[in-house]
Amino acid sequence: NAGVMQNPRHLVRRRGQEARLRCSPMKGHSHVYWYRQLPEEGLKFMVYLQKENIIDESGMPKERFSAEFPKEGPSILRIQQVVRGDSAAYFCASSLSGANYEQYFGPGTRLTVT
Amino acid sequence: GESVGLHLPTLSVQEGDNSIINCAYSNSASDYFIWYKQESGKGPQFIIDIRSNMDKRQGQRVTVLLNKTVKHLSLQIAATQPGDSAVYFCADKNTGNQFYFGTGTSLTVIP
Repeated sequence: NAGVMQNPRHLVRRRGQEARLRCSPMKGHSHVYWYRQLPEEGLKFMVYLQKENIIDESGMPKERFSAEFPKEGPSILRIQQVVRGDSAAYFCASSLSGANYEQYFGPGTRLTVT
Repeated sequence: GESVGLHLPTLSVQEGDNSIINCAYSNSASDYFIWYKQESGKGPQFIIDIRSNMDKRQGQRVTVLLNKTVKHLSLQIAATQPGDSAVYFCADKNTGNQFYFGTGTSLTVIP
Protein backbone atom coordinates (compact mmCIF):
# COMPACT_ATOMS: atom_id res chain seq x y z
CA ASN A 1 0.00 0.00 0.00
CA ALA A 2 2.79 2.39 -0.94
CA GLY A 3 1.97 6.05 -1.29
CA VAL A 4 3.51 8.51 -3.69
CA MET A 5 7.25 8.05 -3.78
CA GLN A 6 9.81 10.66 -4.69
CA ASN A 7 13.54 10.44 -5.01
CA PRO A 8 15.94 11.70 -4.17
CA ARG A 9 14.69 13.31 -0.98
CA HIS A 10 17.54 15.78 -1.01
CA LEU A 11 19.51 16.93 -4.02
CA VAL A 12 22.41 19.35 -4.14
CA ARG A 13 23.51 20.76 -7.45
CA ARG A 14 26.00 23.42 -8.47
CA ARG A 15 24.84 26.25 -10.68
CA GLY A 16 24.70 25.14 -14.28
CA GLN A 17 24.18 21.44 -13.54
CA GLU A 18 21.06 19.46 -14.29
CA ALA A 19 18.60 18.29 -11.64
CA ARG A 20 16.42 15.28 -12.25
CA LEU A 21 13.57 14.57 -9.85
CA ARG A 22 11.57 11.37 -9.91
CA CYS A 23 8.04 10.60 -8.84
CA SER A 24 6.23 7.27 -8.69
CA PRO A 25 2.48 7.75 -8.22
CA MET A 26 0.27 5.68 -5.98
CA LYS A 27 -0.65 2.31 -7.38
CA GLY A 28 -3.48 2.66 -9.84
CA HIS A 29 -3.05 6.43 -10.26
CA SER A 30 -2.29 7.66 -13.73
CA HIS A 31 -2.45 11.41 -13.09
CA VAL A 32 0.62 13.21 -11.79
CA TYR A 33 1.12 16.81 -10.72
CA TRP A 34 4.29 18.69 -9.85
CA TYR A 35 4.39 21.61 -7.45
CA ARG A 36 7.12 23.88 -6.17
CA GLN A 37 7.22 25.24 -2.65
CA LEU A 38 9.47 28.02 -1.47
CA PRO A 39 10.14 28.41 2.28
CA GLU A 40 7.07 29.58 4.20
CA GLU A 41 4.99 29.74 1.06
CA GLY A 42 2.19 27.70 -0.39
CA LEU A 43 2.57 25.24 -3.21
CA LYS A 44 2.66 26.56 -6.76
CA PHE A 45 1.34 24.37 -9.54
CA MET A 46 3.84 23.56 -12.25
CA VAL A 47 2.58 20.80 -14.51
CA TYR A 48 -0.09 18.10 -14.82
CA LEU A 49 0.63 14.90 -16.71
CA GLN A 50 -1.05 11.67 -17.59
CA LYS A 51 0.77 8.69 -18.99
CA GLU A 52 2.73 9.88 -22.04
CA ASN A 53 0.86 13.20 -22.16
CA ILE A 54 1.35 16.67 -20.75
CA ILE A 55 -2.12 17.96 -19.96
CA ASP A 56 -1.30 21.37 -18.48
CA GLU A 57 2.13 22.93 -18.17
CA SER A 58 0.98 26.48 -17.65
CA GLY A 59 2.74 26.77 -14.29
CA MET A 60 6.12 25.61 -15.50
CA PRO A 61 8.80 28.05 -16.69
CA LYS A 62 9.21 27.86 -20.45
CA GLU A 63 12.97 27.58 -20.28
CA ARG A 64 15.13 24.99 -18.55
CA PHE A 65 12.20 23.03 -17.08
CA SER A 66 10.63 19.96 -18.60
CA ALA A 67 8.51 17.08 -17.38
CA GLU A 68 7.55 13.68 -18.64
CA PHE A 69 5.51 10.69 -17.53
CA PRO A 70 6.46 7.76 -19.74
CA LYS A 71 4.38 4.66 -20.30
CA GLU A 72 6.73 2.75 -18.04
CA GLY A 73 8.57 4.16 -15.08
CA PRO A 74 8.28 7.25 -12.91
CA SER A 75 7.45 10.79 -13.84
CA ILE A 76 10.54 12.96 -14.21
CA LEU A 77 10.88 16.68 -13.60
CA ARG A 78 14.06 17.93 -15.21
CA ILE A 79 15.69 21.26 -14.53
CA GLN A 80 18.58 22.15 -16.78
CA GLN A 81 21.30 24.64 -15.97
CA VAL A 82 20.03 25.18 -12.44
CA VAL A 83 20.30 28.57 -10.79
CA ARG A 84 20.12 29.50 -7.10
CA GLY A 85 16.52 30.59 -7.51
CA ASP A 86 15.58 27.00 -8.32
CA SER A 87 16.31 26.01 -4.73
CA ALA A 88 12.99 24.84 -3.32
CA ALA A 89 11.02 21.80 -2.32
CA TYR A 90 9.42 20.04 -5.27
CA PHE A 91 6.39 17.95 -4.55
CA CYS A 92 4.69 15.43 -6.70
CA ALA A 93 1.06 14.42 -6.25
CA SER A 94 -1.05 11.77 -7.91
CA SER A 95 -4.76 11.26 -8.29
CA LEU A 96 -6.95 8.46 -9.48
CA SER A 97 -9.07 10.21 -12.06
CA GLY A 98 -7.89 13.67 -12.81
CA ALA A 99 -8.04 17.11 -11.33
CA ASN A 100 -11.50 16.77 -9.80
CA TYR A 101 -10.33 14.24 -7.28
CA GLU A 102 -8.13 14.45 -4.23
CA GLN A 103 -4.43 14.54 -4.82
CA TYR A 104 -2.04 12.58 -2.65
CA PHE A 105 1.40 14.04 -2.17
CA GLY A 106 4.82 12.52 -1.94
CA PRO A 107 7.43 13.54 0.64
CA GLY A 108 9.09 15.97 -1.75
CA THR A 109 12.57 16.54 -3.10
CA ARG A 110 14.49 19.38 -1.53
CA LEU A 111 16.74 20.90 -4.15
CA THR A 112 19.62 23.08 -3.07
CA VAL A 113 21.63 24.91 -5.69
CA THR A 114 25.04 26.07 -4.52
CA GLY B 1 -6.15 36.16 -11.02
CA GLU B 2 -6.50 33.43 -8.48
CA SER B 3 -6.00 34.37 -4.89
CA VAL B 4 -6.33 32.04 -1.97
CA GLY B 5 -5.40 33.56 1.31
CA LEU B 6 -5.62 32.84 4.99
CA HIS B 7 -6.77 35.30 7.59
CA LEU B 8 -4.14 34.42 10.20
CA PRO B 9 -0.64 33.14 9.57
CA THR B 10 -0.37 31.55 13.05
CA LEU B 11 -2.78 30.04 15.53
CA SER B 12 -2.12 28.73 19.02
CA VAL B 13 -4.68 26.65 20.88
CA GLN B 14 -4.77 24.73 24.12
CA GLU B 15 -4.83 20.98 23.87
CA GLY B 16 -8.42 19.80 23.96
CA ASP B 17 -9.87 23.03 22.60
CA ASN B 18 -11.39 23.34 19.15
CA SER B 19 -9.42 25.00 16.36
CA ILE B 20 -10.82 27.02 13.50
CA ILE B 21 -8.65 27.85 10.50
CA ASN B 22 -10.06 30.21 7.91
CA CYS B 23 -9.41 30.66 4.23
CA ALA B 24 -10.65 33.12 1.62
CA TYR B 25 -10.68 32.50 -2.10
CA SER B 26 -11.28 34.94 -4.88
CA ASN B 27 -12.58 32.96 -7.82
CA SER B 28 -16.34 32.50 -7.70
CA ALA B 29 -15.96 29.74 -10.29
CA SER B 30 -14.02 27.55 -7.85
CA ASP B 31 -15.91 24.31 -7.44
CA TYR B 32 -13.65 22.02 -5.44
CA PHE B 33 -11.76 22.69 -2.24
CA ILE B 34 -9.27 20.68 -0.22
CA TRP B 35 -7.62 21.15 3.15
CA TYR B 36 -4.12 19.81 3.60
CA LYS B 37 -1.91 19.41 6.65
CA GLN B 38 1.83 19.71 6.27
CA GLU B 39 4.26 18.77 8.99
CA SER B 40 7.81 20.00 8.93
CA GLY B 41 9.89 18.27 6.29
CA LYS B 42 6.98 16.30 4.89
CA GLY B 43 4.60 16.51 1.99
CA PRO B 44 1.05 17.83 2.36
CA GLN B 45 -1.39 15.32 3.74
CA PHE B 46 -5.00 15.29 2.53
CA ILE B 47 -7.45 16.06 5.35
CA ILE B 48 -10.85 16.69 3.85
CA ASP B 49 -12.44 18.03 0.71
CA ILE B 50 -15.69 19.67 -0.26
CA ARG B 51 -17.39 20.47 -3.53
CA SER B 52 -19.28 23.62 -4.28
CA ASN B 53 -22.66 21.90 -4.16
CA MET B 54 -22.20 21.41 -0.42
CA ASP B 55 -21.75 23.84 2.44
CA LYS B 56 -20.57 21.44 5.13
CA ARG B 57 -18.73 18.17 5.31
CA GLN B 58 -17.55 16.24 8.32
CA GLY B 59 -14.73 13.82 8.83
CA GLN B 60 -13.10 12.34 11.86
CA ARG B 61 -12.67 15.30 14.26
CA VAL B 62 -12.66 17.71 11.32
CA THR B 63 -15.40 19.73 9.67
CA VAL B 64 -15.10 21.91 6.60
CA LEU B 65 -17.55 24.74 6.03
CA LEU B 66 -17.97 26.47 2.70
CA ASN B 67 -19.66 29.84 2.32
CA LYS B 68 -19.87 30.57 -1.38
CA THR B 69 -21.58 33.90 -0.84
CA VAL B 70 -18.51 35.41 0.76
CA LYS B 71 -16.03 32.96 -0.79
CA HIS B 72 -14.87 31.67 2.55
CA LEU B 73 -13.75 28.26 3.68
CA SER B 74 -12.99 27.08 7.20
CA LEU B 75 -11.55 24.01 8.82
CA GLN B 76 -12.67 23.09 12.30
CA ILE B 77 -10.65 20.61 14.34
CA ALA B 78 -12.37 19.24 17.41
CA ALA B 79 -10.46 18.44 20.59
CA THR B 80 -7.15 19.58 19.17
CA GLN B 81 -4.22 17.32 19.98
CA PRO B 82 -0.45 17.96 19.97
CA GLY B 83 -0.21 15.83 16.83
CA ASP B 84 -2.37 18.39 15.05
CA SER B 85 0.44 20.95 15.20
CA ALA B 86 1.36 21.66 11.58
CA VAL B 87 0.81 24.11 8.76
CA TYR B 88 -2.65 23.90 7.22
CA PHE B 89 -3.29 24.84 3.60
CA CYS B 90 -6.51 25.32 1.75
CA ALA B 91 -6.56 24.79 -1.99
CA ASP B 92 -9.23 25.53 -4.53
CA LYS B 93 -9.83 24.60 -8.13
CA ASN B 94 -12.06 26.01 -10.80
CA THR B 95 -12.93 24.38 -14.10
CA GLY B 96 -9.28 24.03 -15.05
CA ASN B 97 -6.66 21.61 -13.85
CA GLN B 98 -4.85 23.73 -11.33
CA PHE B 99 -5.24 23.80 -7.59
CA TYR B 100 -4.36 27.14 -6.03
CA PHE B 101 -2.87 26.94 -2.59
CA GLY B 102 -2.91 29.55 0.14
CA THR B 103 0.24 30.43 2.04
CA GLY B 104 -0.78 28.37 5.07
CA THR B 105 -1.66 28.79 8.72
CA SER B 106 0.72 27.44 11.31
CA LEU B 107 -1.20 25.72 14.12
CA THR B 108 0.55 25.20 17.43
CA VAL B 109 -1.11 23.11 20.10
CA ILE B 110 -0.11 23.99 23.64
CA PRO B 111 -0.08 20.98 25.98
